[in-house]
Amino acid sequence: EPEVTQTPSHQVTQMGQEVILHCVPISNHLYFYWYRQILGQKVEFLVSFYNNEISEKSEIFDDQFSVERPDGSNFTLKIRSTKLEDSAMYFCASRATGSSEAFFGQGTRLTVV
Amino acid sequence: GESVGLHLPTLSVQEGDNSIINCAYSNSASDYFIWYKQESGKGPQFIIDIRSNMDKRQGQRVTVLLNKTVKHLSLQIAATQPGDSAVYFCAENRGTYKYIFGTGTRLKVLA
Repeated sequence: EPEVTQTPSHQVTQMGQEVILHCVPISNHLYFYWYRQILGQKVEFLVSFYNNEISEKSEIFDDQFSVERPDGSNFTLKIRSTKLEDSAMYFCASRATGSSEAFFGQGTRLTVV
Repeated sequence: GESVGLHLPTLSVQEGDNSIINCAYSNSASDYFIWYKQESGKGPQFIIDIRSNMDKRQGQRVTVLLNKTVKHLSLQIAATQPGDSAVYFCAENRGTYKYIFGTGTRLKVLA
């Protein structure tokens, strides 16, 4: 069964450092998303991406965040200068055209120390 | 403003009984609503969705009911099993590009 793959599963970084979270969406999907989930809280929308550009972003997705589709398969989230409050589980998701079902990856746990 | 929220943070149910998880929403413009299941350490998993022009939709052991009058959504799980233990989120989709998740209800299945 096709799945969304995220790497790494756990990333520890020092405050102020840049991190890049990697995602490989399902191959025939065209809509991509990043969400985050602070421990014990709800899943929060960060950004959506379609046709090689950002479709929509939340207020959380400020200038320190960026997304990129560097090639035909990868979809990355970059946090330029991490803060303690960026510690969370980051989920990538993808969706096929015409479907309501977004498939989520297993997530990357980001810990900022 | 917009919000999707849940009435109860934790629901404990005896194995074999039916479970009902509730969700309230405030935005009438949503195209459809989705229920997701999240097991510990995993990403959300799609369970079922319902379009805003429907009242009820059934899947395998699950039924979603939508009451637009009171802006209420529920997920019914028949014959709850230990594997159903998880956090359940309702989410709304408006347009193509994003899902707004509620706060989640933890379902505990008691043996």
